Amino acid sequence: DGGITQSPKYLFRKEGQNVTLSCEQNLNHDAMYWYRQDPGQGLRLIYYSQIVNDFQKGDIAEGYSVSREKKESFPLTVTSAQKNPTAFYLCASSIGAAGRADTQYFGPGTRLTVL
Amino acid sequence: KNEVEQSPQNLTAQEGEFITINCSYSVGISALHWLQQHPGGGIVSLFMLSSGKKKHGRLIATINIQEKHSSLHITASHPRDSAVYICAVYGGATNKLIFGTGTLLAVQP
Repeated sequence: DGGITQSPKYLFRKEGQNVTLSCEQNLNHDAMYWYRQDPGQGLRLIYYSQIVNDFQKGDIAEGYSVSREKKESFPLTVTSAQKNPTAFYLCASSIGAAGRADTQYFGPGTRLTVL
Repeated sequence: KNEVEQSPQNLTAQEGEFITINCSYSVGISALHWLQQHPGGGIVSLFMLSSGKKKHGRLIATINIQEKHSSLHITASHPRDSAVYICAVYGGATNKLIFGTGTLLAVQP
């Protein structure tokens, strides 16, 4: 079955620790995205990637880092510099270049809680 | 003011009712997405449209580009339709998705 997987579903972190969220897709999509969702707010774009070894900052990139070494994988690291990291994180992909109005397909999400 | 506004924020309906969720936006767009998010958190794309109307089963989405407004209709609503419905537009200078805050729908049996 084609789709996007994210792991883990729930993640707990102590303050001051970095943590990496996994996102894998087998849809052969070029573009991948990371969004953050907070209660009462719309999804906000953290980073996106249009092609392997290339990625761009979104609206709220501070305190986050990403890599795109393989087409299928786009991991997100939440660093200790992120002041308010507790949130629900969603990964998505689309067939074409970011900026084209293509349907985005979303993963199941990772809920990160900082203790 | 948000660039994408949805109304209502919360909606409770009885099974079988006809439901309408509205989305207004203030930017130029190339397309509009309607998305569904279930309590577990995963998001599913329902429609993407740039003009007119689309129908899938009991769901109908319309868009009026001149008025910068879209509606999502659910006919013969069912408790399994209970979810958050999110409107998102491809717009602005970078043509990235801009999301509304969602409408929480509860359909009671």
